[in-house]
Amino acid sequence: NAGVTQTPKFQVLKTGQSMTLQCAQDMNHEYMSWYRQDPGMGLRLIHYSVGAGITDQGEVPNGYNVSRSTTEDFPLRLLSAAPSQTSVYFCASRHGSGPSNNEQFFGPGTRLTVL
Amino acid sequence: LAKTTQPISMDSYEGQEVNITCSHNNIATNDYITWYQQFPSQGPRFIIQGYKTKVTNEVASLFIPADRKSSTLSLPRVSLSDTAVYYCLVAFFYNQGGKLIFGQGTELSVKP
Repeated sequence: NAGVTQTPKFQVLKTGQSMTLQCAQDMNHEYMSWYRQDPGMGLRLIHYSVGAGITDQGEVPNGYNVSRSTTEDFPLRLLSAAPSQTSVYFCASRHGSGPSNNEQFFGPGTRLTVL
Repeated sequence: LAKTTQPISMDSYEGQEVNITCSHNNIATNDYITWYQQFPSQGPRFIIQGYKTKVTNEVASLFIPADRKSSTLSLPRVSLSDTAVYYCLVAFFYNQGGKLIFGQGTELSVKP
């Protein structure tokens, strides 16, 4: 199993550009989520999904869109990039969405810089 | 939504036992307590989770008192490679799923 994969690893954008961060998992996990981590800070939840076709907002959803058309993929779209979105983005997945299924598997991250 | 509070940083020496305590006064009946470890430039890694009393695995132990308003992660005989940030999470059960919200974490520095 490849686990959770993210592409690209690094990206530089100009203000106002849009792009999609890709995330895929091959563990047949129902639950997927996106976090961002700013330097020296903890992770903040952007969006999450409890299954194909179902998404919901996390702590900091503004400026980001998600969709979940398949179990495997959970792309994150930046609509109009801003310097405040410079961060490391982590995708994660876990088997179930119940309160006892809290072992999330994280991808290697995408380092995004917005100029 | 249960908020967690943990020390910002801790120092230890190789071979010592390290205990990191997390407060979660507003924990709900269905919430589980989960701990993650994060090394620089990597995504967090699950360590352990529990609901009450004591849970132990090959890496750590988790102690949860009866009122569940706090928990303590215990790392036995730490080594330099245990230097990392440790996050305490309370799983928030919301509608069909659960949001896993990370706090600020505890930066553990293990010295020789």
